[in-house]
Parts: sequence; C-alpha cells; structure tokens
Amino acid sequence: GENVEQHPSTLSVQEGDSAVIKCTYSDSASNYFPWYKQELGKRPQLIIDIRSNVGEKKDQRIAVTLNKTAKHFSLHITETQPEDSAVYFCAASMIYSGGGADGLTFGKGTHLIIQP
Amino acid sequence: NAGVTQTPKFQVLKTGQSMTLQCAQDMNHEYMSWYRQDPGMGLRLIHYSVGAGITDQGEVPNGYNVSRSTTEDFPLRLLSAAPSQTSVYFCASRRKPGARNSPLHFGNGTRLTVT
Repeated sequence: GENVEQHPSTLSVQEGDSAVIKCTYSDSASNYFPWYKQELGKRPQLIIDIRSNVGEKKDQRIAVTLNKTAKHFSLHITETQPEDSAVYFCAASMIYSGGGADGLTFGKGTHLIIQP
Repeated sequence: NAGVTQTPKFQVLKTGQSMTLQCAQDMNHEYMSWYRQDPGMGLRLIHYSVGAGITDQGEVPNGYNVSRSTTEDFPLRLLSAAPSQTSVYFCASRRKPGARNSPLHFGNGTRLTVT
C-alpha cells in the first residue's frame, strides 16, 4: 500500500517568513495530493489539493508543488501569520474515474509554530 | 446542511465493553470513511465505504466493524474495547471518487478513552 513520509515534524518560523513542509509518497499510481490543516482540538480541514496532471497550484499565500518523477510534494506558506499556527497533514490517494477508490494515506503531520 | 455529524463527542469505556460510534452526513456523499488519530501517528484509515452496501478495510481494521445500510450513515462498532483503542476517531465523507472537487469532509471527532 501507499506510504507517505512528512518532514519536518515541527517547524518554527518568524511571523512574516515563509514555511515549507515536504512529503514523499511511495505508490506511483497515486494521483491526488491534498493538504489539511488541523487547529488544536478541531477537525482537519482541507486547505489546498493538487492532482497529478499539474505541477503547481496556488491559493493566495498557499502553494503546493508536485514532482511526480521524484514522488515529492510540498506545501509553501508565504508571509506567515499567527493564525497559520496549526498541525498540517499531507496525504495521497488514488482516485479512480470509474468509482472505486482507496482511502487517503496521511503523513504524520507537521506542527507549525509562528513566532511573533 | 450540517455536513458530517459524529456522536458522541466523548466516551469512556471499560475494557471489554462494546459500543457504536455514529456518523451521519447530509451531503449525499457516496464515499465515507473512519480514521483514528493518535499522537505522532497522523490519521490512519480504519474502514471505508464507496457506497451503500459496500465496505472495505483500511490500514488498521482489527477490532472494528462497519456497515453501510444507507448512503447517510456509517457507524463504527467496537466489539470488545481495549486500551489500545483509546484515540480520537474521525468520520469523513466525500463525493464519488473521480468527481471534480471532491475533498474529504471531516466530522468533529469522538474522543474515546478505554480504561
């Protein structure tokens, strides 16, 4: 099955600086890579996702890049703000156009701390 | 539109007891799943379902049963609770895989403690 590795486990950055979280996956058949943000005591919520037919996707201060050859994908947050402090999870799965699917395989998470 | 609703929010069980964690969604999502979240382990898939009457095992299915008799409901049953099942459980759903913009929607979680 799929295996997703996520680094670092903890990341501390100064407010206003950029943060980068990296993930690798093992199954070359995976074609869907979402990122979730989980604030303390709350549910994970999708912040951005990318499919394997594109290499980069941006949404305001957040961007995700994908390197299919190397089986790497990364989350980039620019101009970090205190409300960005949370645990971030990457994930990978295979989406079948016909309907069957595997569940998402998650990385172990990165605790992002924004220092004022 | 309530999204994904989980009950209860908190539960304490004694070893050997059984119980059912409830999950319901009102978005007409075909796909539903259960994850457990443990410190340092991320979210691990327990069971999932791609539609009514169809279920399959995830990464950590032992000790849990599921059924999907309706599109809306996907209960998770603990047959004989063990301390190793102390965890936070999340139910999640999404539209049929392959559909555009089919993100996974999570419930608010159930915090289970087994003593």
